[in-house]
Amino acid sequence: NAGVTQTPKFQVLKTGQSMTLQCAQDMNHEYMSWYRQDPGMGLRLIHYSVGAGITDQGEVPNGYNVSRSTTEDFPLRLLSAAPSQTSVYFCASSSRGRSIFGQGTRLTVV
Amino acid sequence: AQTVTQSQPEMSVQEAETVTLSCTYDTSESDYYLFWYKQPPSRQMILVIRQEAYKQQNATENRFSVNFQKAAKSFSLKISDSQLGDAAMYFCAYTPGGAQKLVFGQGTRLTINP
Repeated sequence: NAGVTQTPKFQVLKTGQSMTLQCAQDMNHEYMSWYRQDPGMGLRLIHYSVGAGITDQGEVPNGYNVSRSTTEDFPLRLLSAAPSQTSVYFCASSSRGRSIFGQGTRLTVV
Repeated sequence: AQTVTQSQPEMSVQEAETVTLSCTYDTSESDYYLFWYKQPPSRQMILVIRQEAYKQQNATENRFSVNFQKAAKSFSLKISDSQLGDAAMYFCAYTPGGAQKLVFGQGTRLTINP
């Protein structure tokens, strides 16, 4: 089925470790983005991309890196995990004013 | 900066009745989209309804409809004939036209009483 695939669904990291959250879409959408969801705060934009090779920062970019080498993939890298990055992360793929979200990754940093 | 405010952290309604969730937003843009997303316990984000700011007609999707008041910057969601499956967190969201940089409200948790 067409959609957005995020992996992993759950992850526990130790403070200082690095990891990459994977996001892939098969709808040929140009626009992809990453959000984090914290309790009582809704979703906040971390980084976004308007096409292969083009990325930009959102509202809460610190501590995260992204790249977009292909239209399909948009990975999110945590360089040195901190407890403040404990959250649920969503990837979204968008076209013509509609965003489709992946199922989310629950990340815990201890 | 654009902001979205949902002033009702929790709402409850009897099954088969109607409930309205409130949302206000602030923007200086003239071209933008507004959305309501549903998030059930599975945590999947599901698009419920979308409104384009340049359209005066309120969007409807089956039992879901919106009251879009552009001058007042208000965008409420009405759920008619509430069903148990409607229980979820509901998020109001905004994005400027031509982009998909969603700004979300804090959410409203909707409970359906049988």
